[in-house]
Amino acid sequence: DTAVSQTPKYLVTQMGNDKSIKCEQNLGHDTMYWYKQDSKKFLKIMFSYNNKELIINETVPNRFSPKSPDKAHLNLHINSLELGDSAVYFCASSQQLSGTAEAFFGQGTRLTVV
Amino acid sequence: AQSVSQHNHHVILSEAASLELGCNYSYGGTVNLFWYVQYPGQHLQLLLKYFSGDPLVKGIKGFEAEFIKSKFSFNLRKPSVQWSDTAEYFCAVSGNTPLVFGKGTRLSVIA
Repeated sequence: DTAVSQTPKYLVTQMGNDKSIKCEQNLGHDTMYWYKQDSKKFLKIMFSYNNKELIINETVPNRFSPKSPDKAHLNLHINSLELGDSAVYFCASSQQLSGTAEAFFGQGTRLTVV
Repeated sequence: AQSVSQHNHHVILSEAASLELGCNYSYGGTVNLFWYVQYPGQHLQLLLKYFSGDPLVKGIKGFEAEFIKSKFSFNLRKPSVQWSDTAEYFCAVSGNTPLVFGKGTRLSVIA
């Protein structure tokens, strides 16, 4: 069983479109995250959710809207896609928001905006 | 705010060579430190972590790291690398916020 799974693995779309990436974790964790990895492999946190509530939004454009229907799911919807949104997006989860909690990562979604 | 610096952008080693990847962090409180590895085309996996106690931490696949508080460092080491260690390595710190990652070090191991 995959602990953190996200779909799709690859997403190619045109500028201006709206797209969603889904994420599910079966670890029973309370906290989930979205990270963005750019072309230089730099990983930056976008959002943190704890018990379905948004905790952290790291200066991400409001075209990005996370949604957590329950503790096990954290989806990412992106409106009006731009070329600069091309990146690999990783979902992750952990038992708690910070401190000693190890984060478990999904396989990533490679988004290419053309 | 927490921050992490990884000094080496790309390291190229021959098989059986010893490895040390540098990591320095900046955080004023109690710090938790991690090393993650990302093999080509894959997700991040935890190599090892330090919370407290023995500053020399052993992880999977023969990796270890040493926490030196006075130097704000958490360098990753392996005595003898293998071709299969070719990957991107990320140091990360967590205090009272989610993991903050360094920019990563790409390791290429050649035969």
